[in-house]
Amino acid sequence: EAGVTQFPSHSVIEKGQTVTLRCDPISGHDNLYWYRRVMGKEIKFLLHFVKESKQDESGMPNNRFLAERTGGTYSTLKVQPAELEDSGVYFCASSQEMLAGGRIETQYFGPGTRLLVL
Amino acid sequence: AQSVTQLGSHVSVSEGALVLLRCNYSSSVPPYLFWYVQYPNQGLQLLLKYTSAATLVKGINGFEAEFKKSETSFHLTKPSAHMSDAAEYFCAVSSLAYSGAGSYQLTFGKGTKLSVIP
Repeated sequence: EAGVTQFPSHSVIEKGQTVTLRCDPISGHDNLYWYRRVMGKEIKFLLHFVKESKQDESGMPNNRFLAERTGGTYSTLKVQPAELEDSGVYFCASSQEMLAGGRIETQYFGPGTRLLVL
Repeated sequence: AQSVTQLGSHVSVSEGALVLLRCNYSSSVPPYLFWYVQYPNQGLQLLLKYTSAATLVKGINGFEAEFKKSETSFHLTKPSAHMSDAAEYFCAVSSLAYSGAGSYQLTFGKGTKLSVIP
Protein backbone atom coordinates (compact mmCIF):
# COMPACT_ATOMS: atom_id res chain seq x y z
CA GLU A 1 0.00 0.00 0.00
CA ALA A 2 1.37 3.39 -1.00
CA GLY A 3 1.93 5.91 1.76
CA VAL A 4 1.20 9.61 1.80
CA THR A 5 3.02 11.34 -1.04
CA GLN A 6 3.84 15.02 -1.44
CA PHE A 7 5.02 17.03 -4.40
CA PRO A 8 7.37 18.74 -4.87
CA SER A 9 9.93 17.58 -2.35
CA HIS A 10 11.68 20.95 -2.51
CA SER A 11 10.69 24.36 -3.82
CA VAL A 12 12.72 27.57 -3.96
CA ILE A 13 10.82 30.70 -4.96
CA GLU A 14 11.18 34.43 -4.68
CA LYS A 15 9.12 36.61 -2.41
CA GLY A 16 5.87 37.56 -4.10
CA GLN A 17 5.64 34.45 -6.25
CA THR A 18 3.01 31.74 -5.98
CA VAL A 19 3.65 28.14 -5.00
CA THR A 20 1.27 25.18 -4.95
CA LEU A 21 1.98 22.12 -2.86
CA ARG A 22 0.24 18.83 -3.48
CA CYS A 23 -0.58 15.96 -1.16
CA ASP A 24 -1.92 12.53 -2.10
CA PRO A 25 -3.25 10.73 0.98
CA ILE A 26 -3.38 7.01 1.51
CA SER A 27 -6.18 5.58 -0.60
CA GLY A 28 -9.45 5.42 1.31
CA HIS A 29 -8.43 7.89 4.01
CA ASP A 30 -11.16 10.47 4.54
CA ASN A 31 -9.13 12.69 6.85
CA LEU A 32 -6.35 14.86 5.49
CA TYR A 33 -4.26 17.25 7.58
CA TRP A 34 -1.71 19.93 6.70
CA TYR A 35 1.03 20.91 9.14
CA ARG A 36 4.02 23.23 8.89
CA ARG A 37 7.39 23.40 10.61
CA VAL A 38 9.16 26.71 10.46
CA MET A 39 12.93 26.52 11.07
CA GLY A 40 13.69 25.99 14.74
CA LYS A 41 10.06 25.83 15.78
CA GLU A 42 7.59 23.07 16.46
CA ILE A 43 5.38 21.40 13.87
CA LYS A 44 2.09 23.31 13.80
CA PHE A 45 -1.36 22.35 12.57
CA LEU A 46 -2.75 24.27 9.60
CA LEU A 47 -6.01 22.63 8.67
CA HIS A 48 -8.05 19.44 8.45
CA PHE A 49 -10.24 18.08 5.68
CA VAL A 50 -12.87 15.40 6.02
CA LYS A 51 -13.37 14.22 2.48
CA GLU A 52 -13.76 17.45 0.51
CA SER A 53 -14.95 19.61 3.41
CA LYS A 54 -12.78 21.80 5.63
CA GLN A 55 -13.40 20.51 9.15
CA ASP A 56 -11.01 22.82 10.96
CA GLU A 57 -8.89 25.60 9.47
CA SER A 58 -8.02 27.34 12.70
CA GLY A 59 -4.29 27.00 12.09
CA MET A 60 -4.13 28.76 8.72
CA PRO A 61 -1.85 31.78 9.27
CA ASN A 62 -3.57 34.26 6.93
CA ASN A 63 -5.54 34.60 3.73
CA ARG A 64 -2.46 34.14 1.55
CA PHE A 65 -2.91 30.41 2.15
CA LEU A 66 -5.60 28.52 0.28
CA ALA A 67 -6.21 24.81 0.65
CA GLU A 68 -8.46 22.68 -1.48
CA ARG A 69 -9.40 19.05 -1.71
CA THR A 70 -11.46 18.54 -4.81
CA GLY A 71 -13.42 15.29 -4.89
CA GLY A 72 -12.08 14.27 -1.52
CA THR A 73 -8.90 12.78 -2.95
CA TYR A 74 -5.68 14.77 -3.26
CA SER A 75 -5.24 18.19 -1.71
CA THR A 76 -3.38 21.33 -2.73
CA LEU A 77 -2.06 24.13 -0.59
CA LYS A 78 -1.40 27.38 -2.43
CA VAL A 79 0.61 30.25 -1.03
CA GLN A 80 0.01 33.52 -2.89
CA PRO A 81 1.95 35.75 -2.66
CA ALA A 82 4.72 34.00 -0.75
CA GLU A 83 6.58 35.86 2.00
CA LEU A 84 9.95 35.13 3.61
CA GLU A 85 8.31 33.83 6.79
CA ASP A 86 6.48 31.14 4.82
CA SER A 87 9.73 29.17 4.48
CA GLY A 88 9.65 25.84 6.21
CA VAL A 89 8.64 22.22 5.79
CA TYR A 90 5.01 21.53 4.96
CA PHE A 91 3.74 18.12 6.02
CA CYS A 92 0.59 16.36 4.97
CA ALA A 93 -0.97 13.53 6.96
CA SER A 94 -3.98 11.30 6.45
CA SER A 95 -6.06 8.99 8.60
CA GLN A 96 -9.04 6.73 8.24
CA GLU A 97 -12.60 7.67 9.07
CA MET A 98 -13.23 8.53 12.70
CA LEU A 99 -15.47 5.92 14.24
CA ALA A 100 -18.29 6.32 16.74
CA GLY A 101 -17.05 6.67 20.28
CA GLY A 102 -14.27 9.02 19.28
CA ARG A 103 -11.63 6.37 18.65
CA ILE A 104 -8.62 8.14 17.28
CA GLU A 105 -6.99 6.81 14.15
CA THR A 106 -3.27 7.15 13.51
CA GLN A 107 -2.18 10.01 11.29
CA TYR A 108 0.28 8.86 8.63
CA PHE A 109 2.65 11.55 7.46
CA GLY A 110 4.20 12.26 4.10
CA PRO A 111 7.87 13.19 3.62
CA GLY A 112 7.11 16.90 3.50
CA THR A 113 7.76 19.71 1.05
CA ARG A 114 10.70 21.96 1.90
CA LEU A 115 9.80 25.50 0.85
CA LEU A 116 12.37 28.26 0.74
CA VAL A 117 11.24 31.79 -0.02
CA LEU A 118 14.07 34.17 -0.99
CA ALA B 1 -5.41 24.61 25.59
CA GLN B 2 -2.95 21.79 25.18
CA SER B 3 0.82 21.90 24.92
CA VAL B 4 3.88 19.66 24.84
CA THR B 5 7.32 20.26 26.29
CA GLN B 6 10.27 18.14 25.26
CA LEU B 7 13.24 18.57 27.54
CA GLY B 8 16.49 18.76 25.61
CA SER B 9 16.66 19.72 21.96
CA HIS B 10 19.72 17.46 21.58
CA VAL B 11 20.51 14.22 23.41
CA SER B 12 23.64 12.12 22.90
CA VAL B 13 24.03 8.55 24.10
CA SER B 14 26.63 5.86 23.56
CA GLU B 15 25.75 2.83 21.50
CA GLY B 16 24.26 0.23 23.84
CA ALA B 17 23.28 2.78 26.48
CA LEU B 18 19.77 3.60 27.70
CA VAL B 19 17.81 6.09 25.65
CA LEU B 20 15.52 8.42 27.61
CA LEU B 21 13.68 11.23 25.84
CA ARG B 22 11.47 13.36 28.04
CA CYS B 23 8.00 14.65 27.22
CA ASN B 24 5.58 16.53 29.46
CA TYR B 25 2.15 17.56 28.30
CA SER B 26 -0.59 19.89 29.33
CA SER B 27 -4.20 19.10 28.53
CA SER B 28 -7.47 19.99 30.20
CA VAL B 29 -9.05 16.73 29.07
CA PRO B 30 -7.78 13.13 28.90
CA PRO B 31 -5.19 13.17 26.15
CA TYR B 32 -4.06 10.91 23.40
CA LEU B 33 -0.26 10.90 23.27
CA PHE B 34 2.11 10.00 20.47
CA TRP B 35 5.78 9.67 19.69
CA TYR B 36 6.87 10.14 16.10
CA VAL B 37 10.37 9.75 14.66
CA GLN B 38 11.88 11.48 11.64
CA TYR B 39 14.94 9.89 10.08
CA PRO B 40 17.10 12.09 7.85
CA ASN B 41 15.38 13.02 4.59
CA GLN B 42 12.23 11.10 5.50
CA GLY B 43 8.75 11.88 6.80
CA LEU B 44 7.37 11.37 10.28
CA GLN B 45 6.85 7.77 11.34
CA LEU B 46 4.68 6.72 14.27
CA LEU B 47 6.67 4.99 17.01
CA LEU B 48 3.84 4.44 19.48
CA LYS B 49 0.63 5.93 20.83
CA TYR B 50 -1.30 6.05 24.10
CA THR B 51 -5.09 6.03 23.84
CA SER B 52 -6.22 5.41 27.44
CA ALA B 53 -5.65 1.66 27.49
CA ALA B 54 -2.46 0.30 29.11
CA THR B 55 -0.23 3.00 30.59
CA LEU B 56 2.93 1.27 29.35
CA VAL B 57 2.94 1.38 25.60
CA LYS B 58 5.29 -0.64 23.43
CA GLY B 59 6.23 0.61 20.00
CA ILE B 60 8.39 -0.30 17.07
CA ASN B 61 12.16 -0.78 17.11
CA GLY B 62 12.25 -1.63 20.83
CA PHE B 63 10.92 1.71 22.08
CA GLU B 64 8.34 2.07 24.81
CA ALA B 65 6.74 4.91 26.75
CA GLU B 66 4.87 5.15 30.02
CA PHE B 67 1.91 7.44 30.60
CA LYS B 68 2.03 8.97 34.09
CA LYS B 69 -1.00 11.11 34.73
CA SER B 70 0.23 12.41 38.10
CA GLU B 71 3.40 13.70 36.46
CA THR B 72 1.75 14.65 33.14
CA SER B 73 4.60 12.82 31.44
CA PHE B 74 5.04 10.42 28.54
CA HIS B 75 8.76 9.73 28.40
CA LEU B 76 10.21 7.55 25.64
CA THR B 77 12.77 4.88 26.48
CA LYS B 78 14.82 2.17 24.83
CA PRO B 79 17.11 -0.10 26.86
CA SER B 80 19.98 -0.20 24.38
CA ALA B 81 20.68 2.44 21.74
CA HIS B 82 21.63 1.44 18.22
CA MET B 83 23.34 3.59 15.64
CA SER B 84 20.20 3.41 13.50
CA ASP B 85 18.22 5.19 16.25
CA ALA B 86 19.89 8.50 15.38
CA ALA B 87 16.99 10.71 14.32
CA GLU B 88 14.69 13.47 15.53
CA TYR B 89 11.90 12.46 17.88
CA PHE B 90 8.63 14.32 18.37
CA CYS B 91 6.12 13.99 21.18
CA ALA B 92 2.55 15.04 20.33
CA VAL B 93 -0.79 15.33 22.10
CA SER B 94 -4.31 15.31 20.74
CA SER B 95 -7.78 15.43 22.15
CA LEU B 96 -11.11 15.61 20.44
CA ALA B 97 -12.56 17.90 23.07
CA TYR B 98 -9.78 20.45 22.58
CA SER B 99 -10.01 20.49 18.85
CA GLY B 100 -13.77 20.48 18.73
CA ALA B 101 -15.83 19.77 15.64
CA GLY B 102 -14.33 16.30 15.24
CA SER B 103 -10.77 17.32 14.48
CA TYR B 104 -7.92 15.36 16.03
CA GLN B 105 -5.25 17.90 15.28
CA LEU B 106 -1.89 17.08 16.82
CA THR B 107 0.02 19.53 19.01
CA PHE B 108 3.75 18.80 18.81
CA GLY B 109 6.75 19.48 20.98
CA LYS B 110 9.82 21.12 19.45
CA GLY B 111 11.55 17.80 18.88
CA THR B 112 14.65 16.13 20.30
CA LYS B 113 17.57 15.17 18.07
CA LEU B 114 19.15 11.94 19.23
CA SER B 115 22.78 11.24 18.43
CA VAL B 116 24.27 7.82 19.04
CA ILE B 117 28.03 7.69 19.66
CA PRO B 118 29.84 4.54 18.56
